[in-house]
Amino acid sequence: GDSVTQMEGPVTLSEEAFLTINCTYTATGYPSLFWYVQYPGEGLQLLLKATKADDKGSNKGFEATYRKETTSFHLEKGSVQVSDSAVYFCALIPRGGADGLTFGKGTHLIIQP
Amino acid sequence: NAGVTQTPKFRILKIGQSMTLQCTQDMNHNYMYWYRQDPGMGLKLIYYSVGAGITDKGEVPNGYNVSRSTTEDFPLRLELAAPSQTSVYFCASWRGLGTGELFFGEGSRLTVL
Repeated sequence: GDSVTQMEGPVTLSEEAFLTINCTYTATGYPSLFWYVQYPGEGLQLLLKATKADDKGSNKGFEATYRKETTSFHLEKGSVQVSDSAVYFCALIPRGGADGLTFGKGTHLIIQP
Repeated sequence: NAGVTQTPKFRILKIGQSMTLQCTQDMNHNYMYWYRQDPGMGLKLIYYSVGAGITDKGEVPNGYNVSRSTTEDFPLRLELAAPSQTSVYFCASWRGLGTGELFFGEGSRLTVL
């Protein structure tokens, strides 16, 4: 079945550091890929998405590129802020799939001032 | 826009008690989902529905039941609560066309003692 693997956390960085959170996937066909963010005590919010190979999703300074050849969708940000502290989930939904998103286990990001 | 609304936000149950988590959405989405989130385990799909009157099991359906009598509502019922059902529950909805995002409620934290 489909699966998503993302790097284990917590990841602790200093403010203004460069961020990479790795995500790889296994799926048949051409899934759509997503990064969701969960701030403390809140539900999940879509951060960015990509629907086909070589697409780059971007939002709030975060970026991720859909790499079909390496089945990856790594999340990057050039300069993180304390307000970026949250749990980040990589997820996929198969093209035409009805049974929702398949999630990675989440990566807890902690940004220190 | 209210989006996806879940109630209650918090609940403590005794072993063997029953309860229903309510979920309603005002976006006229056909697809609705229930996930549970356990620490370090990501989100796992409990049940989903592709439209009124149609439900199907997800990855972890044991101990739960759902119904979908209207497009708006998708309640999740726990019949005999067990400590293993202590978790945070999220309801989500999806337009179901193309590759759009899932919209999540804020979550319901359930503790079974």
